[in-house]
Amino acid sequence: AQSVTQLDSQVPVFEEAPVELRCNYSSSVSVYLFWYVQYPNQGLQLLLKYLSGSTLVKGINGFEAEFNKSQTSFHLRKPSVHISDTAEYFCAVSEGFQKLVFGTGTRLLVSP
Amino acid sequence: EAGVVQSPRYKIIEKKQPVAFWCNPISGHNTLYWYLQNLGQGPELLIRYENEEAVDDSQLPKDRFSAERLKGVDSTLKIQPAELGDSAVYLCASSSGLAGQETQYFGPGTRLLVL
Repeated sequence: AQSVTQLDSQVPVFEEAPVELRCNYSSSVSVYLFWYVQYPNQGLQLLLKYLSGSTLVKGINGFEAEFNKSQTSFHLRKPSVHISDTAEYFCAVSEGFQKLVFGTGTRLLVSP
Repeated sequence: EAGVVQSPRYKIIEKKQPVAFWCNPISGHNTLYWYLQNLGQGPELLIRYENEEAVDDSQLPKDRFSAERLKGVDSTLKIQPAELGDSAVYLCASSSGLAGQETQYFGPGTRLLVL
């Protein structure tokens, strides 16, 4: 069965600094990978997803992620964060037509 | 386009009482999901519907939880009786197309507190 590990429960960063949120997964087959963002008191919103093709995926709000099959990782990056990026970020994985399995989330805290 | 609608947004009940949550998915989305999100955790799937059929309910605690999706549109999730450990956020999501690949659109959730 697939699983997702988000090692960093919280990442503090200053505004306009770059950020990387780490995600590792375990699966014995090909997977689809997702990053969702959750703002306070709101539902989850898709940032980006990898299904196939280019391993560098660009998403909304200036975020991008790179699929690394050999390291079973799908880290999320942004070159310059804004205060409004403060939120909870969830990495998720699915195998084929199976359900999404979410990680425990990383809280991104952007300070002025 | 209207998003996924959930009600109520907040619910406080005493243990052993029943509670129900309602979800209206995005129009045209045939797949509907109910998730449980505990504090500090990611969402965990409770049940997935394809139209009216529950195709994955393996994680639904059937002794106290039940769900239905009449006419393949709106859905209701019920807990009876509620326990203290059921305090959490219950999220509804919907998608079109193939499960596992398609983007899921989430509602704002219902925050349940059981006293």
